[in-house]
Amino acid sequence: RKEVEQDPGPFNVPEGATVAFNCTYSNSASQSFFWYRQDCRKEPKLLMSVYSSGNEDGRFTAQLNRASQYISLLIRDSKLSDSATYLCVDMEYGNKLVFGAGTILRVKS
Amino acid sequence: NAGVTQTPKFRVLKTGQSMTLLCAQDMNHEYMYWYRQDPGMGLRLIHYSVGEGTTAKGEVPDGYNVSRLKKQNFLLGLESAAPSQTSVYFCAVGDSNQPQHFGDGTRLSIL
Repeated sequence: RKEVEQDPGPFNVPEGATVAFNCTYSNSASQSFFWYRQDCRKEPKLLMSVYSSGNEDGRFTAQLNRASQYISLLIRDSKLSDSATYLCVDMEYGNKLVFGAGTILRVKS
Repeated sequence: NAGVTQTPKFRVLKTGQSMTLLCAQDMNHEYMYWYRQDPGMGLRLIHYSVGEGTTAKGEVPDGYNVSRLKKQNFLLGLESAAPSQTSVYFCAVGDSNQPQHFGDGTRLSIL
């Protein structure tokens, strides 16, 4: 079983749609989680951290469910520029990141 | 990508050749990492360092060596390149319990 699992997609959505991605993790002791965004042939870039109480950054909302060991990312009012691969990340032992394989989002006009 | 610089950006090698990838940071982070990214598999940790003079193995260390002689530099060496090492290599920097910041990658092809 992979330590961090994501639906690879692709998710094809129209502009303005709301889309949600889920990710499951296997290490129940993990404390920190992140969502990264990666554009084609580019490096991963931090999108947002995921806090236990849930957190929002503009159109993006992240949630953590420790009981079920999954995290989610909600994107509202999708823009063409949101098209990318979204990586779910688990930080183990405070210094090692474990990456999911990513979920592809395509926003179309 | 300000702060984390990888060289070279692209390289083509023949099987059996050796080479070194350089990661340099000006962000003063303690931790540095080398990952490889292959289609459908996500990023996998090769080696990492928690400070100058220290290195440790990650998930896929075989066929690679690293050195961190200076805090700002982390070198990744391929001793005898193999086609299975064709990949995109990313360096990242960070600190304990903080997210990592990535360089813009090195595309390596082994023929």
